[in-house]
Amino acid sequence: AQSVTQLDSQVPVFEEAPVELRCNYSSSVSVYLFWYVQYPNQGLQLLLKYLSGSTLVKGINGFEAEFNKSQTSFHLRKPSVHISDTAEYFCAVSRGGSQGNLIFGKGTKLSVKP
Amino acid sequence: DGGITQSPKYLFRKEGQNVTLSCEQNLNHDAMYWYRQDPGQGLRLIYYSQIVNDFQKGDIAEGYSVSREKKESFPLTVTSAQKNPTAFYLCASSIVGASFHSPLHFGNGTRLTVT
Repeated sequence: AQSVTQLDSQVPVFEEAPVELRCNYSSSVSVYLFWYVQYPNQGLQLLLKYLSGSTLVKGINGFEAEFNKSQTSFHLRKPSVHISDTAEYFCAVSRGGSQGNLIFGKGTKLSVKP
Repeated sequence: DGGITQSPKYLFRKEGQNVTLSCEQNLNHDAMYWYRQDPGQGLRLIYYSQIVNDFQKGDIAEGYSVSREKKESFPLTVTSAQKNPTAFYLCASSIVGASFHSPLHFGNGTRLTVT
């Protein structure tokens, strides 16, 4: 069975500093991995996705993630954060079989301070 | 603009009452999903539907019911059998339900409070 672990529930960081949000997964089948962002009282928006090919995936708003099969990780990074990046971030893995839905981690709240 | 509309944004009910949450999409997506979000718990799948007149239970279907009479609509009923109904409910859709990598498009959610 697939599962996702987000290692940090909260990450405080100062504006213009780099940030890494950690995600580990377990899966017995080929994986498709996603990062979503949620701003307060809103739905989720797709940041980026890994389906195949290059292990470094670039997304919107300057975020990128690296798929590491040996470490079973898919960490999200940004070299310089802005106040507007304050939000909750969710890592997700696709389920196996015929289902096209996702299993989500518990989320990491990124708080960017001035 | 295409998107997913969830209504109402906030909903208050007394314990013991059934309540129906609306979800409408004009993206022409085949698959639709209902997730429940609780603080610190991430998102958990309640029900999903890959085609009209068909739906499957997710991980936490007990106390919930759905229907899919039209491609555009996937309402969720929270019944009195749901023991902890207070939560943030998110509806989502995707292009092809059987695809492993079709990203989800989300509505802005309904916050249900039951007292």
